[in-house]
Amino acid sequence: NAGVTQTPKFQVLKTGQSMTLQCAQDMNHEYMSWYRQDPGMGLRLIHYSVGAGITDQGEVPNGYNVSRSTTEDFPLRLLSAAPSQTSVYFCASSLSGTGSQGYTFGSGTRLTVV
Amino acid sequence: LAKTTQPISMDSYEGQEVNITCSHNNIATNDYITWYQQFPSQGPRFIIQGYKTKVTNEVASLFIPADRKSSTLSLPRVSLSDTAVYYCLVGDLNDYKLSFGAGTTVTVRA
Repeated sequence: NAGVTQTPKFQVLKTGQSMTLQCAQDMNHEYMSWYRQDPGMGLRLIHYSVGAGITDQGEVPNGYNVSRSTTEDFPLRLLSAAPSQTSVYFCASSLSGTGSQGYTFGSGTRLTVV
Repeated sequence: LAKTTQPISMDSYEGQEVNITCSHNNIATNDYITWYQQFPSQGPRFIIQGYKTKVTNEVASLFIPADRKSSTLSLPRVSLSDTAVYYCLVGDLNDYKLSFGAGTTVTVRA
């Protein structure tokens, strides 16, 4: 089992560029989510999905877009990158919500916007 | 979501037991308590989850008093590799808007 796979691991963008962070899981989890983590801070929820075709906003959704066309994949799109979006991004999945077995996280994507 | 409060940091030495207490005064009847561990440059990892009394697994123990307004994560005989950030979360099993606070940074010294 690969678990949750995130690509790329590192990315540098120029202000105004767009890009997509990829997230895939092979555990048949219905629930997937995206978090960002800034230095010295906890994780803040960006967007989440409770199943294919269903997405909703989290705590800090502005500047990000998501879609969920399959159970396995949950890409995060940055529409027009800004320096404030410099952060480490984590994707997570679980059987349902908080889940009795918790979330499984990917290894993260470190994004720098210059 | 029930708000949680935990210490910002704790120091310990190898071989000692580390106890991290999390306060959650507004915990709801359907809420569970879940703890995660995060090493530098990695995503958080699920450690343990409980509803009431005591839960133990191969990694840690979780103590929850009868009023459930707090919980204590206990790490027995820590080693240097237990240096990490530990997060306490409280929520319903079907809660989809789970956010992590700043957590407790545990530093284990030789």
